[in-house]
Amino acid sequence: DTEVTQTPKHLVMGMTNKKSLKCEQHMGHRAMYWYKQKAKKPPELMFVYSYEKLSINESVPSRFSPECPNSSLLNLHLHALQPEDSALYLCASSHHSVPHEQYFGPGTRLTVT
Amino acid sequence: RKEVEQDPGPFNVPEGATVAFNCTYSNSASQSFFWYRQDCRKEPKLLMSVYSSGNEDGRFTAQLNRASQYISLLIRDSKLSDSATYLCVVRKGGADGLTFGKGTHLIIQP
Repeated sequence: DTEVTQTPKHLVMGMTNKKSLKCEQHMGHRAMYWYKQKAKKPPELMFVYSYEKLSINESVPSRFSPECPNSSLLNLHLHALQPEDSALYLCASSHHSVPHEQYFGPGTRLTVT
Repeated sequence: RKEVEQDPGPFNVPEGATVAFNCTYSNSASQSFFWYRQDCRKEPKLLMSVYSSGNEDGRFTAQLNRASQYISLLIRDSKLSDSATYLCVVRKGGADGLTFGKGTHLIIQP
């Protein structure tokens, strides 16, 4: 089973709202990732969690705040977003063993108004 | 130089034909290599990992040339359902994230 689930599927939020995106996997993977994908562009890495610790932050603005409550869950807390943050937010997970294949969830399509 | 470069296409190919995609990567320290496919408004799905020895999965064959920093994907006997964007992807190593090429858009025509 290579399933990663994400909720919600769609989210519309105003610039003053606070919301959270959720991601879950039950494959025993200990690395989890957040990516952002704009229309007609490839996914871009935002954050990497390795063994529940943040290991990579790709200079993401502080209005995006990741959290890894346990080895199966990954959250992305959103606050004071801008319209240009509208995108598809993808969660992925992988084993730590080579070749570290990553499996993606279906994404949350976010619109900031 | 972009980290991962691909021809964006589109490639318009008749059903049953063989089609080949290539990509190049700039970071010689890259350790893992993949092809993903992405359908419109869907998530990327892993197609196959790519190894120097070459690997095959049904109609799909992938090859890695580390010396030239070049990755290829061959699709034989193409099907209508192969229409998608094919993303060339590299990873530096460990628990690093993935770096994606811009993707090659493939359209299989009946």
